[in-house]
Order: sequence, then structure tokens, then C-alpha cells
Amino acid sequence: AQSVTQPDIHITVSEGASLELRCNYSYGATPYLFWYVQSPGQGLQLLLKYFSGDTLVQGIKGFEAEFKRSQSSFNLRKPSVHWSDAAEYFCAVGPREGGGNKLTFGTGTQLKVEL
Amino acid sequence: DTGVSQDPRHKITKRGQNVTFRCDPISEHNRLYWYRQTLGQGPEFLTYFQNEAQLEKSRLLSDRFSAERPKGSFSTLEIQRTEQGDSAMYLCASSLDLAVYEQYFGPGTRLTVT
Repeated sequence: AQSVTQPDIHITVSEGASLELRCNYSYGATPYLFWYVQSPGQGLQLLLKYFSGDTLVQGIKGFEAEFKRSQSSFNLRKPSVHWSDAAEYFCAVGPREGGGNKLTFGTGTQLKVEL
Repeated sequence: DTGVSQDPRHKITKRGQNVTFRCDPISEHNRLYWYRQTLGQGPEFLTYFQNEAQLEKSRLLSDRFSAERPKGSFSTLEIQRTEQGDSAMYLCASSLDLAVYEQYFGPGTRLTVT
């Protein structure tokens, strides 16, 4: 069965520091890959997605993610974190064929930004 | 484009009562999804519609749960005989057929069963 692992439940970084959030997936074939952000009282917002092609994808709000097939990973990065980035981040996967286009999410990483 | 809206935002109910939630998707989106998110977990897929047809249901969706999308626009999710384990955030998302993975999420309905 497919699964998504986000090994870090909580991460604290200082404003201006770089950020990397880890995501590993277990899947029969390379799925579509996503990162979402969830702020309190807000819906999940899509940050970026990987379907094919260049393994380094750019998203909104200055985020990027790198797909590494050999490691089954899709880590999210940002070179300089802003206080407004404090939120919960979810990695998700979706099947390329069949599966009803439903997303399977990881358990999330709560990001705290220290000023 | 007003985004996906959900009503109510919060619902407190007593065990055994029935509750109904509503989701209004983005107007031109013909796919609509329901997910459930419990504390400390990521969202879990419940069901999805293409227009008015319910095409898939998760095993998480017990017989006490029913979802409808009668005219292919808004959707309702009803939980009958609520249990404490039903306490969760219920999320709705919508997408276009041609961009099924660009799912836009609503703010959710937080259900508390006492």
C-alpha cells in the first residue's frame, strides 16, 4: 500500500535561516508528488507539484522541492524562512493511473519560526 | 473566484445525533472530494464525485456516512448516530477534470462529538 512519511513532526528555525522538510514515499511506481501548507483556520494550499521532467520544482512563496527517485524522496526547501511561513506542511502523493485521483498525505511537519 | 466554502465551520454535537455538512466547490469545478483529518494526522480520503456521480468511497466511510452531490454543484456529507471517534476536521476540495491533482481545499468543518 502507498504511504508517505514525514519524519519530523516539529521543526523550529530562526527567521532568515534555510529550511528543509523531509518527505519519503512508498509506492509501486513513481507517483505524482505534492507539498501543501496549512495555516490555522485556512484550507490546505498547494505549494508545488511534481509530475515529470526537471526534478527540481519551483513553487509559490519561494519554496522549491527536489525529487530523488533513488531515495524515494521529495524534500521541500526554502533558502530564507520568513515568520509568516510558520504553519503545518504536508507532503502528498497521487497515483499516475487509476486510484480515483485521491491524494495520500503524510502526517505533517509543524514549522515554528523564531524571530 | 471565491474558493471552496464549507458550512458550518464548527459543529459540536452529542453522541448519537445526526449532523450534516455542506461544501460549495469552485463554480466551474466538476470534481469534488471529501477528506477527514484527525489531530496530528494528515487528511485521509473519504470519497469523491465527478459531477453528481459518486465514483469512489474509502473504507473509512462506514454505513453511517453518506455523501451526495445532487445537481453536480454543492455536496453534503451526513453522519448518522455520531460517535466520539467521528470528531475530526472534515475537508472538502474541488478540481477540474483536466487538472484532477490541482485540488483546491476549503477551510474545513471541525466536528466535536461529546
